[in-house]
Amino acid sequence: DQQVKQNSPSLSVQEGRISILNCDYTNSMFDYFLWYKKYPAEGPTFLISISSIKDKNEDGRFTVFLNKSAKHLSLHIVPSQPGDSAVYFCAASFGGSSGTYKYIFGTGTRLKVLA
Amino acid sequence: SAVISQKPSRDICQRGTSLTIQCQVDSQVTMMFWYRQQPGQSLTLIATANQGSEATYESGFVIDKFPISRPNLTFSTLTVSNMSPEDSSIYLCSLRLAGGKNEQFFGPGTRLTVL
Repeated sequence: DQQVKQNSPSLSVQEGRISILNCDYTNSMFDYFLWYKKYPAEGPTFLISISSIKDKNEDGRFTVFLNKSAKHLSLHIVPSQPGDSAVYFCAASFGGSSGTYKYIFGTGTRLKVLA
Repeated sequence: SAVISQKPSRDICQRGTSLTIQCQVDSQVTMMFWYRQQPGQSLTLIATANQGSEATYESGFVIDKFPISRPNLTFSTLTVSNMSPEDSSIYLCSLRLAGGKNEQFFGPGTRLTVL
């Protein structure tokens, strides 16, 4: 059962335009969401996060939107740059009974920004 | 942030053998995690490795197959035992720093191919 889903395996965007990456989740207990970026032969690096008490968080060119009623979040990159070309993973977490805050990851979306 | 190194970066192994992956971090951390990313799949948590206690394994993963050591606060190993081609994957070490933004840091990963 995939609790965090990224239904688009790939996305191509022209440089300077907006990139929108989508993520859906099924577990209403998730209270913290993150986006990670991964380049080939490297580990994922943290990009931006959002708590369930917010519906938007912005950091420079990156904005994450959370729609709790729809169990949906999205990452907007504006303007997109060729260096943004990478695989983007959505992740969700909750404390659980042990308070371990496990992260559940989606399958990733490969973004290609065309120059 | 934290600097995480993994050894080996990649390996090709024969069926039935075992491989031990090392993870070294530059900070003393309590919680370290081991993930697996199979081709086209999400990052899947194998186990949480706490210093001074037995690792906690996720559903579908067992200690006999993936023994973990955590001898101190900066080092951990994951062994993939009695390997089969289905174990071909990227294995990633990860940690979460106390306090801060509740973000997780990942090592560069170990790409394992089992023939």
